[in-house]
Amino acid sequence: AQSVTQPDIHITVSEGASLELRCNYSYGATPYLFWYVQSPGQGLQLLLKYFSGDTLVQGIKGFEAEFKRSQSSFNLRKPSVHWSDAAEYFCAVGADGNKLVFGAGTILRVKS
Amino acid sequence: DGGITQSPKYLFRKEGQNVTLSCEQNLNHDAMYWYRQDPGQGLRLIYYSQIVNDFQKGDIAEGYSVSREKKESFPLTVTSAQKNPTAFYLCASSGGTDTQYFGPGTRLTVL
Repeated sequence: AQSVTQPDIHITVSEGASLELRCNYSYGATPYLFWYVQSPGQGLQLLLKYFSGDTLVQGIKGFEAEFKRSQSSFNLRKPSVHWSDAAEYFCAVGADGNKLVFGAGTILRVKS
Repeated sequence: DGGITQSPKYLFRKEGQNVTLSCEQNLNHDAMYWYRQDPGQGLRLIYYSQIVNDFQKGDIAEGYSVSREKKESFPLTVTSAQKNPTAFYLCASSGGTDTQYFGPGTRLTVL
């Protein structure tokens, strides 16, 4: 069965510092992979997605993610974090029947 | 504006009551989904529907029911059989790709 692991429950970074959020997945075939962001009490917003092709994917708000098949990873990165990036981030993998399997999420705190 | 709406934003339920959460989309998407979110557990799939008049159970369907009579609408009923219904409920829809788009959510609290 498909699964997603986000090893870090909380991460704190200083404003202007770089960010990397980790995501590892388990899936037998070539996966569809997603990163979503959620502000408190809100729905999820799609940051970026990987279906095929170039393994470095650009998203909104200056985020990017790299698909590494050998490591079963899809880590999210941003070169310079802004205070408005503080939120919870979810990695997800596409499963059978057009379903998504989500990780438990990583809460990002930004220090000024 | 195209999008997904959920109502109400906050809902309070007494023990033993059934309540219905609304989800409407005007994106012309065929598939719709209901998720439950609890702190530290990510999102868990309750029910999903890939076409009108058809739906399937997700991972945690017990104590919930749905209908899909119209393409735009996918209401979720939380029944009295759901023993721990306090949670944040999210509705999503998807078109021809696997990309799901989410509504703003409904927070249900049992009094």
